[in-house]
Amino acid sequence: DIQMTQSPASLSASLGETVTIECRASEDIYSNLAWYQQKPGNSPQLLIYDANSLADGVPSRFSGSGSGTQYSLKINSLQSEDVASYFCQQYNNYTFGAGTKLELK
Amino acid sequence: QIQLVQSGPELKKPGESLKISCKASGYTFTDYAMQWVKQAPGKGLQYMGWINTQTGKPTYADDFKERFVFSLETSASTAYLQINNLKNEDTATYFCARGHTMVCWGQGVMVTVSS
Repeated sequence: DIQMTQSPASLSASLGETVTIECRASEDIYSNLAWYQQKPGNSPQLLIYDANSLADGVPSRFSGSGSGTQYSLKINSLQSEDVASYFCQQYNNYTFGAGTKLELK
Repeated sequence: QIQLVQSGPELKKPGESLKISCKASGYTFTDYAMQWVKQAPGKGLQYMGWINTQTGKPTYADDFKERFVFSLETSASTAYLQINNLKNEDTATYFCARGHTMVCWGQGVMVTVSS
């Protein structure tokens, strides 16, 4: 099975800062990767699909990139509403990364 | 609008069974697969598997090949997750989600297994 290694596990950043979260797959996943945001008590929400396509209604400060086994999610100009956990997921066999908890500094 | 509405919270004892529902609306139910995801308290997301809403064929992730059953009631646009012989470690929130990129999620069902 394909394993997803997500880093960092937690992240503290200031308002307006740019943050990057990374996921590494154990084998080539051919950009079959999504990123989800989950706020406490809520269901996850799709942010990015196909590694770099922005889901409907998602602010443009979110972007995804990568190929092969290495992928990243970037949040430009961090806003208070971005405080959440973020998960990557490959959809070859759908494994999730362990998640990144983003907090404000 | 597209919605997945799940059934309410459950409190069960070890060894019991339960069946969670996920009712879809706002789209053609058979156009998209239905996925299931487990989230234990304070933990990450664990993929459970999916069901083909056209054929009814379920596919289970390795950790969910025993005791877990996905089913459909297509006429009611509803997917079900049944968990048999409940264990303490089944305590979690269970989500349904539409399609392979999970663009729409249910609100989750909190299941507590405790003697």
